[in-house]
Amino acid sequence: DAGVIQSPRHEVTEMGQEVTLRCKPISGHNSLFWYRQTMMRGLELLIYFNNNVPIDDSGMPEDRFSAKMPNASFSTLKIQPSEPRDSAVYFCASSEVYSYNEQFFGPGTRLTVL
Amino acid sequence: GENVEQHPSTLSVQEGDSAVIKCTYSDSASNYFPWYKQELGKGPQLIIDIRSNVGEKKDQRIAVTLNKTAKHFSLHITETQPEDSAVYFCAATNTNAGKSTFGDGTTLTVKP
Repeated sequence: DAGVIQSPRHEVTEMGQEVTLRCKPISGHNSLFWYRQTMMRGLELLIYFNNNVPIDDSGMPEDRFSAKMPNASFSTLKIQPSEPRDSAVYFCASSEVYSYNEQFFGPGTRLTVL
Repeated sequence: GENVEQHPSTLSVQEGDSAVIKCTYSDSASNYFPWYKQELGKGPQLIIDIRSNVGEKKDQRIAVTLNKTAKHFSLHITETQPEDSAVYFCAATNTNAGKSTFGDGTTLTVKP
């Protein structure tokens, strides 16, 4: 298996633009997590899905952030409009739901908003 | 919600020495405690984990201990090597809720 796949790996955009981050979880995993990592705030859980259904989005910072999981093999995290303070590394992770199994992290997307 | 505190934030040791990282958690419902290693430019990767019904677990040079009463758990790395240099994260997980709360990370530097 190729592991969790994220795209793009790097994104540079200007303030006010829409940004879409993409994630393909490991086949057979039915939990998917979006995290944001910054020096100031560490690793923060934004939202997670079980069987394509959003379970907890309490970590989503503002209405500018939205996430979807239309099927078991694809998820998106969208920021509209983007702001400089959104600059961070965004990780997607997947695992088997409701188990002691580890979360497998993707390589991350480094987002820079100018 | 769950709150995880991790100490120290930075740790520097000489090659061959031991390193210890400690975490405390607040939610007694947490029942699974993984440790992740993050190398530069990569996502975190699980290195060891422990369930709430176990007090200690060891895997070669790495061990984790859990004190449920005190709500704290620790990572122990013996005979450290330069390739152990990385950021280490602890996490507390409630598998019934399906989510993990991460500590702020410890940057470990092993000097050759």
